[in-house]
Amino acid sequence: AQSVTQLGSHVSVSEGALVLLRCNYSSSVPPYLFWYVQYPNQGLQLLLKYTSAATLVKGINGFEAEFKKSETSFHLTKPSAHMSDAAEYFCAVRTGNNRKLIWGLGTSLAVNP
Amino acid sequence: DGGITQSPKYLFRKEGQNVTLSCEQNLNHDAMYWYRQDPGQGLRLIYYSQIVNDFQKGDIAEGYSVSREKKESFPLTVTSAQKNPTAFYLCASSMTSGGAVFETQYFGPGTRLLVL
Repeated sequence: AQSVTQLGSHVSVSEGALVLLRCNYSSSVPPYLFWYVQYPNQGLQLLLKYTSAATLVKGINGFEAEFKKSETSFHLTKPSAHMSDAAEYFCAVRTGNNRKLIWGLGTSLAVNP
Repeated sequence: DGGITQSPKYLFRKEGQNVTLSCEQNLNHDAMYWYRQDPGQGLRLIYYSQIVNDFQKGDIAEGYSVSREKKESFPLTVTSAQKNPTAFYLCASSMTSGGAVFETQYFGPGTRLLVL
């Protein structure tokens, strides 16, 4: 069965520091992976997605993620955190021709001045 | 501007009352979805619809009902059978051309449902 694990429900970084949010998936077939961001009391916005074209995916707001099949991971990174990056981040996976997404539980990112 | 609108932003339900959450999209998307979000539990799929007049149960459909009479609209009714309805409800839509694996779901701003 497919699953997504986001390690760390809360991550805190200093402004200007590296952001690393972890996502591991379980799938027996090639996965399609997504990162979304949610600001307080708002809907989700797509940050980036992996659809097998390239293992390093660049997204909006300076974020990027690298698909590592050997590690079954799709970690989200940003070289320098900004105060406006404080939000909830969700990783999701889809396998096969199935419309349903499997969601991680989310990681809340806090950015300290 | 194209997008997804949800109304109301906040909704209050009394005991034994059915309430309906609105979701409208002008993106010309075929598929629409309803999710429930509770703190620390991520997103859970309630119902989804791939075409007009057709919909499927998600993982937590009990106590909810939907209709899809128009492509643009996918209202969700929270019935009195849903004993714990307090949550943030998110509507999403996606275009179905090109195969499901390439679809991106786009989300509305959400409706927060509270029980009086």
